[in-house]
Amino acid sequence: GAGVSQSPSNKVTEKGKDVELRCDPISGHTALYWYRQSLGQGLEFLIYFQGNSAPDKSGLPSDRFSAERTGGSVSTLTIQRTQQEDSAVYLCASSLNTGTGSGYTFGSGTRLTVV
Amino acid sequence: QKEVEQDPGPLSVPEGAIVSLNCTYSNSAFQYFMWYRQYSRKGPELLMYTYSSGNKEDGRFTAQVDKSSKYISLFIRDSQPSDSATYLCAKGSNDYKLSFGAGTTVTVRA
Repeated sequence: GAGVSQSPSNKVTEKGKDVELRCDPISGHTALYWYRQSLGQGLEFLIYFQGNSAPDKSGLPSDRFSAERTGGSVSTLTIQRTQQEDSAVYLCASSLNTGTGSGYTFGSGTRLTVV
Repeated sequence: QKEVEQDPGPLSVPEGAIVSLNCTYSNSAFQYFMWYRQYSRKGPELLMYTYSSGNKEDGRFTAQVDKSSKYISLFIRDSQPSDSATYLCAKGSNDYKLSFGAGTTVTVRA
């Protein structure tokens, strides 16, 4: 597609429920990234995919968080047993290869609110 | 200590003024630097990127890097109300990860 597409754009969920966030990267972009943006904080790295593999998942906050990518395209970030501290904007980005020197293209994010 | 530090502001300027935004960084590896602009409820969009010390201009925007003092800046000349946004500085952490500052919220008053 023309840009990085994320869905849903907003999600309100009850504490303890599982949520799935979806990212459609730009067609042909092999690298995909998930970042989290909390109020007043910078972007926090979560995970990086090259193709369908995740060489770096060091930023995932806990084992409640997982992500997968299929077909070298769509990625899903899953948060199990959501907690209030998970409330944030989850941003997906993609780049043609790795982000070296050229930056990423971000989606508009999914705003997650855990009540 | 965060790898990239940025004053969160907020910053409010009159239309036509020069906006000056600054960040400092602590890790000298992977020295590529970027500025992103983020409008409310939108994702960050790449504004400028640079590898080297000195100035890089693009229209009304100038990115400045001083590697000796580990300081990066963005200047916006002849600011417009449409420049009102949050500006994020970023630096390469390795060949795929970026470290971001907290962002500075800028309001340009008409």
